[in-house]
Amino acid sequence: ELKVEQNPLFLSMQEGKNYTIYCNYSTTSDRLYWYRQDPGKSLESLFVLLSNGAVKQEGRLMASLDTKARLSTLHITAAVHDLSATYFCAVNAGGTSYGKLTFGQGTILTVHP
Amino acid sequence: GAVVSQHPSWVICKSGTSVKIECRSLDFQATTMFWYRQFPKQSLMLMATSNEGSKATYEQGVEKDKFLINHASLTLSTLTVTSAHPEDSSFYICSASDGQKLFFGEGSRLTVL
Repeated sequence: ELKVEQNPLFLSMQEGKNYTIYCNYSTTSDRLYWYRQDPGKSLESLFVLLSNGAVKQEGRLMASLDTKARLSTLHITAAVHDLSATYFCAVNAGGTSYGKLTFGQGTILTVHP
Repeated sequence: GAVVSQHPSWVICKSGTSVKIECRSLDFQATTMFWYRQFPKQSLMLMATSNEGSKATYEQGVEKDKFLINHASLTLSTLTVTSAHPEDSSFYICSASDGQKLFFGEGSRLTVL
């Protein structure tokens, strides 16, 4: 059974600081996703990582994937209040059936002045 | 770009009634769609895989007779919560892939009184 674990589950950051969210998964998978969720809303896609060593960046967020360690990271640089949200990683569990995802528990990020 | 749309966005119903939620792929065909459930302050859990023209595949612990899934066309999957009870109150989210990318619907919030 595929398990996906995130840490930390709660993250309180000061504006301007850097931090990293970790996502470990238990079995081999061919793609890993990062999503953002605002309260009461659905998921916003941030990154899709497809191969070992993949690194993607968008604004203050950068995601990486180490398939050998079964680890992905989401790095936040110089946090701003607008980044406050819940962040999920998810791993494809369905082989070629893209969309059958197992999600991590989510990391609730709060950025304060 | 491709979009997945859900309807209704929110619904309130009385205990014992049935509620239908629709998931549409607006500009692509999807032979497979996925239904997730998210309880407050929790992660997303896959309920079932909706297969066009055949029976849905349910995850362990999900009652197929309670959560009826119909995927009658390549652009529409429906989830019917039968004889709803307060414990079925949740955020239901569907997803579909166009073969390249994965898209999530806006979600449907169900409240059972």
